[in-house]
Amino acid sequence: GAVVSQHPSWVICKSGTSVKIECRSLDFQATTMFWYRQFPKQSLMLMATSNEGSKATYEQGVEKDKFLINHASLTLSTLTVTSAHPEDSSFYICSAFPGLAASSTDTQYFGPGTRLTVL
Amino acid sequence: DAKTTQPTSMDCAEGRAANLPCNHSTISGNEYVYWYRQIHSQGPQYIIHGLKNNETNEMASLIITEDRKSSTLILPHATLRDTAVYYCIVRVASNTGKLIFGQGTTLQVKP
Repeated sequence: GAVVSQHPSWVICKSGTSVKIECRSLDFQATTMFWYRQFPKQSLMLMATSNEGSKATYEQGVEKDKFLINHASLTLSTLTVTSAHPEDSSFYICSAFPGLAASSTDTQYFGPGTRLTVL
Repeated sequence: DAKTTQPTSMDCAEGRAANLPCNHSTISGNEYVYWYRQIHSQGPQYIIHGLKNNETNEMASLIITEDRKSSTLILPHATLRDTAVYYCIVRVASNTGKLIFGQGTTLQVKP
């Protein structure tokens, strides 16, 4: 099946620094990727839709200047948490469609997640 | 977007069938029902999806009622490794492909 990887799997950083998380589709091309965050004992919350070659679309309430998304190729999307603070500590998960267009029948595959801890 | 309602938690004995219900009474005619599960500290895993017919794959079966207002995910022989949070999601009608997760059902498979 389709495989999505994330790097790093976990990261600890100091408050005020920036952290970049990579999401790669290993065996397929993806024009659309998604970024989610998940706090302990809560469900996944969609943050943004990452589109190859264009600007990301952010969900309401998500600061686009704080969570920078770059989808420079058909197999790589990156999420940069800028000026991270302890409240940004969370589990960040990406997903992708194995196809050039997202339709109702396409299956979305998820990465293993990246756990960010901001001290 | 159609919303879903699932029980917060369920228990199942190992080796028995696990039946996870989901209500989606406001589902539109062109919206699909998707099931994903998330094992602790991992990314969600796709299980199955359907429109109106019952579906079966190597992981599970999906039974959708005739009026499409509810569905049931069936794990035929639950194992301890099936312990996870199971999410029933109705796919938005647009072509953006977004999946909006609810709270899901925590399934605990017990020996």
